[in-house]
Amino acid sequence: EPEVTQTPSHQVTQMGQEVILRCVPISNHLYFYWYRQILGQKVEFLVSFYNNEISEKSEIFDDQFSVERPDGSNFTLKIRSTKLEDSAMYFCASSVEGVGKLFFGSGTQLSVL
Amino acid sequence: AQRVTQPEKLLSVFKGAPVELKCNYSYSGSPELFWYVQYSRQRLQLLLRHISRESIKGFTADLNKGETSFHLKKPFAQEEDSAMYYCALSAGGTSYGKLTFGQGTILTVHP
Repeated sequence: EPEVTQTPSHQVTQMGQEVILRCVPISNHLYFYWYRQILGQKVEFLVSFYNNEISEKSEIFDDQFSVERPDGSNFTLKIRSTKLEDSAMYFCASSVEGVGKLFFGSGTQLSVL
Repeated sequence: AQRVTQPEKLLSVFKGAPVELKCNYSYSGSPELFWYVQYSRQRLQLLLRHISRESIKGFTADLNKGETSFHLKKPFAQEEDSAMYYCALSAGGTSYGKLTFGQGTILTVHP
């Protein structure tokens, strides 16, 4: 079965640095998402993306966050100036249509020191 | 605002015993409910959704709007069912992919 691919699997960065988390959604999927899970907490929705624009975002997704689909295959999440509280597992997901099941990647563990 | 509550963080049963993972939700509209599962060292994957009314790997879940619940049940648990289970809610429509997750229940099935 096709899979959503995320790189890197682990990312360590210093507070204040920019990070880019990368995702390759399943090729015929049209809807893309980022979720995150802080250790010991719930999986939280960050943003959804369709037709090259953000369709919905949560309160967490402030000006420090941005998403991009720079080419036909990648979907990226950028955090401009990381904070300690950004440390979390970040999951990318995609779906073929807005009412279908979500396919999740295996996640990127981000550690901000 | 929508909320999903899974009251049990941990659930242990013996192989062959029935298992029920509880999920309650709070949402003023008509939600779509899902169960996602994460096996050890694997990614989060959809187990089932209420609109399909299907049984996957022997699991079923019925949406009870009166009790605002979507409990996951299996009559005879297997060791391979050991995993983290997440109940999730979608408001539907254009917000379909925006899932609100519960905190998850770790199910352990002992031999």
